[in-house]
Amino acid sequence: GAGVSQSPSNKVTEKGKDVELRCDPISGHTALYWYRQSLGQGLEFLIYFQGNSAPDKSGLPSDRFSAERTGGSVSTLTIQRTQQEDSAVYLCASSLGVQGAGELFFGEGSRLTVL
Amino acid sequence: KQEVTQIPAALSVPEGENLVLNCSFTDSAIYNLQWFRQDPGKGLTSLLLIQSSQREQTSGRLNASLDKSSGRSTLYIAASQPGDSATYLCAAGGTSYGKLTFGQGTILTVHP
Repeated sequence: GAGVSQSPSNKVTEKGKDVELRCDPISGHTALYWYRQSLGQGLEFLIYFQGNSAPDKSGLPSDRFSAERTGGSVSTLTIQRTQQEDSAVYLCASSLGVQGAGELFFGEGSRLTVL
Repeated sequence: KQEVTQIPAALSVPEGENLVLNCSFTDSAIYNLQWFRQDPGKGLTSLLLIQSSQREQTSGRLNASLDKSSGRSTLYIAASQPGDSATYLCAAGGTSYGKLTFGQGTILTVHP
């Protein structure tokens, strides 16, 4: 596609429910990233994919958070047993993935509200 | 641990002014420094990417400089316009991939 696409754009869920957030990166971009933006913490790195592998998942806040990428393309971020502190905007970005960390292109994010 | 600070937190200027946004980072061992723009309710748009070996980058009315030794970057916006109103974010890249540490941003308002 023309840009990074994320869905849903908005998600309201009840505490304790599981949620899945989807990211469709720019075609041909081998690197994919998830970031989280919250009022208190600003923008934080969650996980990095190169192809289908995740060499850096150091930013995932707890074991309730997981992510996968299939076919070197679409990625899903899953949050299990959601808590109110998980409320944030989850942003996905992709890049060409060449050595040297090129320009990152961000999607418009998925806003998660946990009641 | 890298920390990125942006000053000022907010800035309001009349249209036509030249302005400077400041970014400082604590760990000078960076691969690159990126400036982004974020409009309300939207994602981030990349403005300029400066590799660690570069001193500055220019795009239209925007110019970003990088001084690794002092841990500083500035974004210069010439002849500001109301359409420039947005939050500007600075991010330091400490790895060979896109793991970025972001500042808290500068909220810019340009009034007609």
